[in-house]
Amino acid sequence: GAVVSQHPSRVICKSGTSVKIECRSLDFQATTMFWYRQFPKQSLMLMATSNEGSKATYEQGVEKDKFLINHASLTLSTLTVTSAHPEDSSFYICSALVPRWVSQPQHFGDGTRLSIL
Amino acid sequence: DAKTTQPPSMDCAEGRAANLPCNHSTISGNEYVYWYRQIHSQGPQYIIHGLKNNETNEMASLIITEDRKSSTLILPHATLRDTAVYYCIVRVKGSQGNLIFGKGTKLSVKP
Repeated sequence: GAVVSQHPSRVICKSGTSVKIECRSLDFQATTMFWYRQFPKQSLMLMATSNEGSKATYEQGVEKDKFLINHASLTLSTLTVTSAHPEDSSFYICSALVPRWVSQPQHFGDGTRLSIL
Repeated sequence: DAKTTQPPSMDCAEGRAANLPCNHSTISGNEYVYWYRQIHSQGPQYIIHGLKNNETNEMASLIITEDRKSSTLILPHATLRDTAVYYCIVRVKGSQGNLIFGKGTKLSVKP
């Protein structure tokens, strides 16, 4: 079945570093991908919607200049956390909208655990 | 999308059936019921979905009441690996927007 690959699975870095997370759809073209963030013991919260070839749509309260999203191809979306600080430490999850989906609407990556020291 | 209500947590003995309820009293006629689960430190995993008929696949069964205001996900023989947070989501099929996750039910399967 369709698979979404997210990389890296875990990142530990110093405050002020920029971190890039990749989300790939492996066997289908995803015109729309979603980026979620999940803090400990909380549910997934949508950060932004990434559309291939156009600017991402950010949810209220999410800084677009801090969380840069690029969706340059139909199989790859990237999220860059710029100048990361400890408060950005979280679990970041991407998902891809399955085209003409019959069963499940979205496939999810396995998430990226970001820890900023 | 209609709102769903789930108990925050449940326990189940290993090998027994786990029955996870979900209330969706404001569901509309064209909305489906979807179930996902999230094992610790992983992304959500699709389980099953249904409209009004009961559904079964290799992972679980979904029982939807006749008035469609509630449903139950059944894991027939729970294992320790089924310990996860289970999310019930109501959704119009074909919708292009994101999935909205509530707090879900934390299922703990105990030996």
